[in-house]
Amino acid sequence: EAGVAQSPRYKIIEKRQSVAFWCNPISGHATLYWYQQILGQGPKLLIQFQNNGVVDDSQLPKDRFSAERLKGVDSTLKIQPAKLEDSAVYLCASRSSQGALNSPLHFGNGTRLTVT
Amino acid sequence: QQQVKQSPQSLIVQKGGISIINCAYENTAFDYFPWYQQFPGKGPALLIAIRPDVSEKKEGRFTISFNKSAKQFSLHIMDSQPGDSATYFCAASIIVYYGQNFVFGPGTRLSVLP
Repeated sequence: EAGVAQSPRYKIIEKRQSVAFWCNPISGHATLYWYQQILGQGPKLLIQFQNNGVVDDSQLPKDRFSAERLKGVDSTLKIQPAKLEDSAVYLCASRSSQGALNSPLHFGNGTRLTVT
Repeated sequence: QQQVKQSPQSLIVQKGGISIINCAYENTAFDYFPWYQQFPGKGPALLIAIRPDVSEKKEGRFTISFNKSAKQFSLHIMDSQPGDSATYFCAASIIVYYGQNFVFGPGTRLSVLP
């Protein structure tokens, strides 16, 4: 099966600019996650979707971050305006909601964002 | 309570040696413990996972040991190879009403010397 696709791979922007990341999950995976991974740290959850609805956005800085998942497939994460501390790798992951309750996350290769 | 602690931060092992990474958690509601391997420029990839009703799980050279009473679990890499050099993350998962949440440890950077 094809893996989780993310684009772009790299992005460099100046602070106060806006940026958007795109994710296409594994086909049939109803659950989609966006994680932020700061250098030297583990992934930190930003938002979780079940189909096209948000089920957990408690850790999303909503004053600057937004995300959507139209039609329950692709998702877009946006930052506007960006701050220096947003420099990180943004990982998209998907998980099958069918079958066993405990199923693993499948990650994309991420988008490395540098804010200057 | 949602934290997962991981140690060591970095680890250097000779080829053929045993690599051991330890993790600890507080929330007893966690019920699934996966380990992820991440190479530079790549996303984390599932390596091996265990449920708390099992004390040990082995897949090839990789073994998870799980101590439910101590709320600790560890990854053992036997006969470590230079190709195992990567960052390893332990994680803990909890089922919630809307799905499944994952909490990750801070990672261990493993270097296996040839």
